[in-house]
Order: sequence, then C-alpha cells, then structure tokens
Amino acid sequence: DADVTQTPRNRITKTGKRIMLECSQTKGHDRMYWYRQDPGLGLRLIYYSFDVKDINKGEISDGYSVSRQAQAKFSLSLESAIPNQTALYFCATSDLKNSAGAKNIQYFGAGTRLSVL
Amino acid sequence: EDKVVQSPLSLVVHEGDTVTLNCSYEVTNFRSLLWYKQEKKAPTFLFMLTSSGIEKKSGRLSSILDKKELFSILNITATQTGDSAVYLCAVPFSGNTPLVFGKGTRLSVIA
Repeated sequence: DADVTQTPRNRITKTGKRIMLECSQTKGHDRMYWYRQDPGLGLRLIYYSFDVKDINKGEISDGYSVSRQAQAKFSLSLESAIPNQTALYFCATSDLKNSAGAKNIQYFGAGTRLSVL
Repeated sequence: EDKVVQSPLSLVVHEGDTVTLNCSYEVTNFRSLLWYKQEKKAPTFLFMLTSSGIEKKSGRLSSILDKKELFSILNITATQTGDSAVYLCAVPFSGNTPLVFGKGTRLSVIA
C-alpha cells in the first residue's frame, strides 16, 4: 500500500551494526505496528504504538527498540544487529476512528528485507 | 502456544479447482477475524468477519465464520494462477490489542 512507506526496501549489514528501519504513512491513522516475517513462522509482532505517546512491546521485542517521532512516523532500530534478525520486516497502520471491528484492519507497507551477515 | 492455527500449511492445485482454507482460533472475547492475501510482498486485506453464518464474498473468494466452533474458512472457486499466494488469518485477542496472525497457508495454482 503506497500510503504506508518503508525505507529502505533492502538492507545488508554486518553483525554488531546499528540499523534503523523507517516507516511513514499518509493515511492519517493513529496506530502503527512493526512485524517481522520468517519462513514458516508467519507475522510476529515486535512493537506497536496507539498514539505518539504510547509504545508497547509485542511478542518478540528483545533486541529491538522503536521511536514514534510523529503520528505519521514510526521507526524500528536494531542497536546491535545479529544474524538471527535476518528477516522481512513490515510496518502496518490501523485507524482507531473506524467503527467496531474495522479498527482492527491493518494496512501494510511493502516491507524491508534485512540481511545481517 | 498457537492461538490462531491455519491448515493446511501448503496446498498445490490445478487451475479451475476449488480450494478451502481453514483457520481456527482461541480467544475469550472474540471481536473479529480477518483474512489477508500475501503475494510477493505486503499482505493485503480480503475480509473481516464478525458474525457467524454470514458469508462475505468477493468475486471467486468467499469466507464464513463459525463462532460456536471457533473457526473460519476461505473458499476460492475456479482457481487461477493469480490466486497463488500465502493466505493469512488474524484475530485480535481482546478489543484493544493488535492482531495475532496464523502461520498462513501457501497456495500454489498450476496451469
């Protein structure tokens, strides 16, 4: 979805390096999420944020940190990358202003493929 | 433990076949179940189901929910090669929590 933009699209880095993945959205949504996807493991939640002052850990937050710089921007950092953080990373958004269950519909960016050597 | 379980994990069919994908879930305060299609990159939203027995339909795709038995199915009729993708099922585990995704079903449609 072009309204959710992730940069970079691909990144190769070395063990121990600090990496930041960025996500910006023009959908005006208040909620933002970071997931990683590994073959056979589906999408797993790393962190999520329901507004600028709200940050919550997900299922697999160890080794990651996030920053919600503005409603439209949510970045994911790997302070010291390790090879098992090699994965496809997705940012997603959802809209609290939607009614009932529709607020759970998430819209995904195109993903960042990260390789840690 | 897995709270959202999809089956089968992978499936290969021929064009024109009909397929049924399954998703079962465990949640104490059910609100909704969502289906996504993931081709090469980002998952794209297909359906949201909130009520039992009401079919959601979009072209050759349809889905239905059984809240008593805690499962949903996604049907694809007259499959085409363009239906080849990973189909993901997701459930929020309470009113204000993010989605939890199943591992997905990888569907391959061969000509």
